[in-house]
Amino acid sequence: DAKTTQPNSMESNEEEPVHLPCNHSTISGTDYIHWYRQLPSQGPEYVIHGLTSNVNNRMASLAIAEDRKSSTLILHRATLRDAAVYYCILESGGSNYKLTFGKGTLLTVNP
Amino acid sequence: GAGVSQSPRYKVAKRGQDVALRCDPISGHVSLFWYQQALGQGPEFLTYFQNEAQLDKSGLPSDRFFAERPEGSVSTLKIQRTQQEDSAVYLCASSLYPGGAGNTIYFGEGSWLTVV
Repeated sequence: DAKTTQPNSMESNEEEPVHLPCNHSTISGTDYIHWYRQLPSQGPEYVIHGLTSNVNNRMASLAIAEDRKSSTLILHRATLRDAAVYYCILESGGSNYKLTFGKGTLLTVNP
Repeated sequence: GAGVSQSPRYKVAKRGQDVALRCDPISGHVSLFWYQQALGQGPEFLTYFQNEAQLDKSGLPSDRFFAERPEGSVSTLKIQRTQQEDSAVYLCASSLYPGGAGNTIYFGEGSWLTVV
């Protein structure tokens, strides 16, 4: 499976934007980029995913580099409820259909 | 319910005991996954079902672990002769379509297993 690299932790202040980076230099042409987050004592929660173009939804935006070797999850206004571990995951589907989680980025949001 | 449901939420087992963990995926979801998450770690893949067919069981750590989904809906993860290293959260997830390629995967809240 192609690997992703994320910072171990990041801090943000409430109501400020947060940019969570992810490097995936070995991404293949068919790999989708997924972001999930996990709040304490809960299962992972889908945030957003994309293939080539930038994506927006009600939770976040995903900015994908032109060469697709990196991406950034953008939370436009962090809230205390956004404090979680954020996972950047590549998924290729087919017979190898699964999400392979790394260690993720622990996001702390300060009031 | 609208989400993936798992039971029991918490299970304490004596070492050597057999346990069974149940997953009710979202109705109509074709794909079903089991993951194991140790404390402080990211989830680790165990196995994948497409309907009733177990297409990938490469993540099952030993032959003490067995999963089934006989009618393509509810799934059970069974752990025989539990050992302390089996203590973890066991997460079930489901997805509407087979084969991935950008599908959203929905996770349950997990079954917390403690082996004493």
